Amino acid sequence: DGGITQSPKYLFRKEGQNVTLSCEQNLNHDAMYWYRQDPGQGLRLIYYSQIVNDFQKGDIAEGYSVSREKKESFPLTVTSAQKNPTAFYLCASRVAGEAYEQYFGPGTRLTVT
Amino acid sequence: GQSLEQPSEVTAVEGAIVQINCTYQTSGFYGLSWYQQHDGGAPTFLSYNALDGLEETGRFSSFLSRSDSYGYLLLQELQMKDSASYFCAVSWGSQGNLIFGKGTKLSVKP
Repeated sequence: DGGITQSPKYLFRKEGQNVTLSCEQNLNHDAMYWYRQDPGQGLRLIYYSQIVNDFQKGDIAEGYSVSREKKESFPLTVTSAQKNPTAFYLCASRVAGEAYEQYFGPGTRLTVT
Repeated sequence: GQSLEQPSEVTAVEGAIVQINCTYQTSGFYGLSWYQQHDGGAPTFLSYNALDGLEETGRFSSFLSRSDSYGYLLLQELQMKDSASYFCAVSWGSQGNLIFGKGTKLSVKP
């Protein structure tokens, strides 16, 4: 079965700690995305990558970092510089040329106290 | 800047028809997509309009008017399982990124 996996589903961290969220896809998609979702809000773009070893900042990249060393993997690190890290984080990917349809992973709910 | 407006909540009864509107302001517009998200779940793609008019997929239809910067999602024969949040999203720019609205929470009552 092809799809996107994110792990873990729930993550708890103390303030001041960096944390890395995993995102893996076996859909052979070139483009991958990280979004943040807060209650009652839409999805806000953190980072995206159109190709291996290249990525760009989205609308709310401050306090986050990513890497794209393999086509299948796009991990997101939430650093201690992120002022309000508690949120639902969604990873997505898409086929080249079909910008309108993104495939989402199940998400990671991060709670920082 | 880019912005999308959609109602925050809509309530309807089983078997009814409901329309969720979306207005947008964006440059470099390519098309309007709709996504469904159940509580705690992942968004899933429903439909896409690049050109003016109506697209039908089973019980769901989506409409776009580029001249009015307006679209809507129409859900017919509502079922309890349709209770979810619905997001409109604009495709824009050369990178093909999506900008999402804040979502409309649909509650279907028996």
